Amino acid sequence: QKEVEQDPGPLSVPEGAIVSLNCTYSNSAFQYFMWYRQYSRKGPELLMYTYSSGNKEDGRFTAQVDKSSKYISLFIRDSQPSDSATYLCATNFGNEKLTFGTGTRLTIIP
Amino acid sequence: NAGVTQTPKFQVLKTGQSMTLQCAQDMNHEYMSWYRQDPGMGLRLIHYSVGAGITDQGEVPNGYNVSRSTTEDFPLRLLSAAPSQTSVYFCASSYSSADRERDGYTFGSGTRLTVV
Repeated sequence: QKEVEQDPGPLSVPEGAIVSLNCTYSNSAFQYFMWYRQYSRKGPELLMYTYSSGNKEDGRFTAQVDKSSKYISLFIRDSQPSDSATYLCATNFGNEKLTFGTGTRLTIIP
Repeated sequence: NAGVTQTPKFQVLKTGQSMTLQCAQDMNHEYMSWYRQDPGMGLRLIHYSVGAGITDQGEVPNGYNVSRSTTEDFPLRLLSAAPSQTSVYFCASSYSSADRERDGYTFGSGTRLTVV
């Protein structure tokens, strides 16, 4: 069993819809939780990070962590075609080594 | 400011050949790492380094070798290429401090390797 599980999709939604992306993790010692976005044939780039349980907002994006159920979510409001990408959740023990989910491929249909 | 530069972008190798994937960063990051990305497997850590002269193994180190003689460079060597090493390879760097979560890892654009 992988330490971080993520539904690979693909996921297709119409423009303007709310998107929900989810991950689960197995090790309660994980401390930081991140979402990376990866466009086709590019390297991943950091989208959001959070440390504690609860919600963190940044524009149209909300990251949610529930440490009691070991669940990580990313919500995208008013989705745009430019949001079409692969989204990877990631976590660490407070050190340099990141553990990534497999990524969810998202397509926003105009 | 170039960030993380990987070369080459594409490479085809024959089974048994060796080669070195280059990675250079100009951000004075202490931490550097190599990942491979395969469909359905996500990003898996191969080797990493927390500073010049210090390297350690990640999740899938077999068949790969690394060294870190300078802060800027972290080459990945394939000793004897096998078809199972066909993948997209990413180099990433970050600060070795609490700022790394805020700033994130900086990834290169990847090297697409095919072993035939």
